[in-house]
Amino acid sequence: ELKVEQNPLFLSMQEGKNYTIYCNYSTTSDRLYWYRQDPGKSLESLFVLLSNGAVKQEGRLMASLDTKARLSTLHITAAVHDLSATYFCAVDSNYQLIWGAGTKLIIKP
Amino acid sequence: SQTIHQWPATLVQPVGSPLSLECTVEGTSNPNLYWYRQAAGRGLQLLFYSVGIGQISSEVPQNLSASRPQDRQFILSSKKLLLSDSGFYLCAWSYSGGTEAFFGQGTRLTVV
Repeated sequence: ELKVEQNPLFLSMQEGKNYTIYCNYSTTSDRLYWYRQDPGKSLESLFVLLSNGAVKQEGRLMASLDTKARLSTLHITAAVHDLSATYFCAVDSNYQLIWGAGTKLIIKP
Repeated sequence: SQTIHQWPATLVQPVGSPLSLECTVEGTSNPNLYWYRQAAGRGLQLLFYSVGIGQISSEVPQNLSASRPQDRQFILSSKKLLLSDSGFYLCAWSYSGGTEAFFGQGTRLTVV
């Protein structure tokens, strides 16, 4: 059974700092997704990573996928308050998505 | 372009009352459809998914049921709500054969 682990589950950081959220999964998969959820809102798709070595960037967020290590990272550069949200990774397993528990990110001014 | 509509946005229901949440997708054919539940401060729990009309797979045994009467319509129901049914319910779709999920705005259900 595929398991997806995110860490940290909670992260409080100052504006302007860099940090990385990690998503580990337990069995082979070459499709991984990152989503953002604002408090009380639905989920918004951020990145789709479809192959080993894939790297996607949008503004201050950059996601990468290493299928051999079964690891994806979401890197935040020079964080700003607007990036405060919960971030989920999800891994494709036989056409079903297996979800991480989410990382709640709070960025303080 | 594709859009997903989910309603109502919020709902307060007494214990033992029935439930019907509806979700429709526009702009695509034969989508995969999903119902998720999210407890407060928690992750996503897949409740049901459907790959076609009348085809429903249940992931979690409970007092909820789902139906897909039309290609782009997905309904979540209960005959008698429990307090533990409270949560944030999310409908989502993906392309047939795909897994990237696109979410509706969600329904916040409070059972009192």
